[in-house]
Amino acid sequence: NFMLTQPHSVSESPGKTVTISCTRSSGRIASSYVHWYQQRPGRSPTNVIYEDNQRPSGVPNRFSGSIDTSSNSASLTISGLTTEDEADYYCQSYDSNTRGVVFGGGTTLTV
Amino acid sequence: EVNLVESGGGLVQPGRSLRLSCAASGFKFDDYAMHWVRQVPGKGLEWVAGVSWDSGRIAYGDSVKGRFTISRDNAKTALYLQMDSLRSEDMALYYCAKGGPSGIDAFDMWGQGTMVTVSS
Repeated sequence: NFMLTQPHSVSESPGKTVTISCTRSSGRIASSYVHWYQQRPGRSPTNVIYEDNQRPSGVPNRFSGSIDTSSNSASLTISGLTTEDEADYYCQSYDSNTRGVVFGGGTTLTV
Repeated sequence: EVNLVESGGGLVQPGRSLRLSCAASGFKFDDYAMHWVRQVPGKGLEWVAGVSWDSGRIAYGDSVKGRFTISRDNAKTALYLQMDSLRSEDMALYYCAKGGPSGIDAFDMWGQGTMVTVSS
């Protein structure tokens, strides 16, 4: 089993760019896709990045995803921040050993 | 329009059972894996269980293994979660989520959730 570790919170000013990291504790980050979810207060989660760096239709291109094999981590980058981006963000990946799904602990973004 | 509607939550005593349901519409239900994810208010997301499109592959999170059973009825486009031997730590908002054709896919649709309260 592996864990996905995210910073508890990040803060940035409107119009700026923020990056949220998601570090895999064991096994290669590239061995299974990483997906990202946004959860606004009081709402259900929505998918904002799938398969490491793909954007679902309707998600602004201000949202981008990447993986870094050297740090064994994935990142979600949001540019041109607005107050609408204030939310909790979760990374998620599949554990092929357990055939289960792993979520990161979540990161609260304050704009 | 893709829609997932959970039901069956409520107040239950520790040790008792509860069955959650998720009614799906707007997509070809039997093409996709389905999952249950829970969230304690104010805390993070925890994956509970997942079932493949044909029920041939089922997996559970460690905290519910042996107590919860996920199932689906493709004819009724419904997902279920039978929860037995409930504990206080099972108290959470339970979401139904639509996966992809395989277990590695993102959850591209979530319901509004149904709240389970475990208390005597």
